[in-house]
Amino acid sequence: GAVVSQHPSRVICKSGTSVKIECRSLDFQATTMFWYRQFPKQSLMLMATSNEGSKATYEQGVEKDKFLINHASLTLSTLTVTSAHPEDSSFYICSARDNRLSYNEQFFGPGTRLTVL
Amino acid sequence: GQNIDQPTEMTATEGAIVQINCTYQTSGFNGLFWYQQHAGEAPTFLSYNVLDGLEEKGRFSSFLSRSKGYSYLLLKELQMKDSASYLCAALDSNYQLIWGAGTKLIIKP
Repeated sequence: GAVVSQHPSRVICKSGTSVKIECRSLDFQATTMFWYRQFPKQSLMLMATSNEGSKATYEQGVEKDKFLINHASLTLSTLTVTSAHPEDSSFYICSARDNRLSYNEQFFGPGTRLTVL
Repeated sequence: GQNIDQPTEMTATEGAIVQINCTYQTSGFNGLFWYQQHAGEAPTFLSYNVLDGLEEKGRFSSFLSRSKGYSYLLLKELQMKDSASYLCAALDSNYQLIWGAGTKLIIKP
């Protein structure tokens, strides 16, 4: 089956620093990856859609200059939270669409728990 | 607007059957997914329906009625490990997933 990895799984940083999260599709190529944020006891909130070789598409209300997305290859997308603040503390999850499948299933990474002090 | 509705929380007994309902309103429709999410973990795929009817996969089954904008996830022979949140998500005309808020399922012995 399709496997998606995320690194790091957990990160604690000081306010004002930047944090980079990597999302990799391990056994398939993904032209499209998605970045979600999930606050406690809430559902997934799509932040942006990352397309290989082009600019990401951000959802309304998500600051593109704060959440930098780079999808430089068919197996890697990165999310950089710049100048992180405590309110950015959340569970960040990426997913990748396996283009081989006809029904566009998204495979999820294990998530990254970010805590900003 | 686009909207997914599912109950916030349900409680069931170990060994029993539970049905989690989901209604959706989307711009176009390209299928409906059910995901399971344990606390602190990412969602895992359970099922996908795009045609009307029931899809059975072991203890879990999923049903779809496109005309009614309705789906349900049926869990049989409940086990304690089934305690989790169950997320309903519809794929719209742009192939973007529209997520429900999730149903927290509590299994009691």
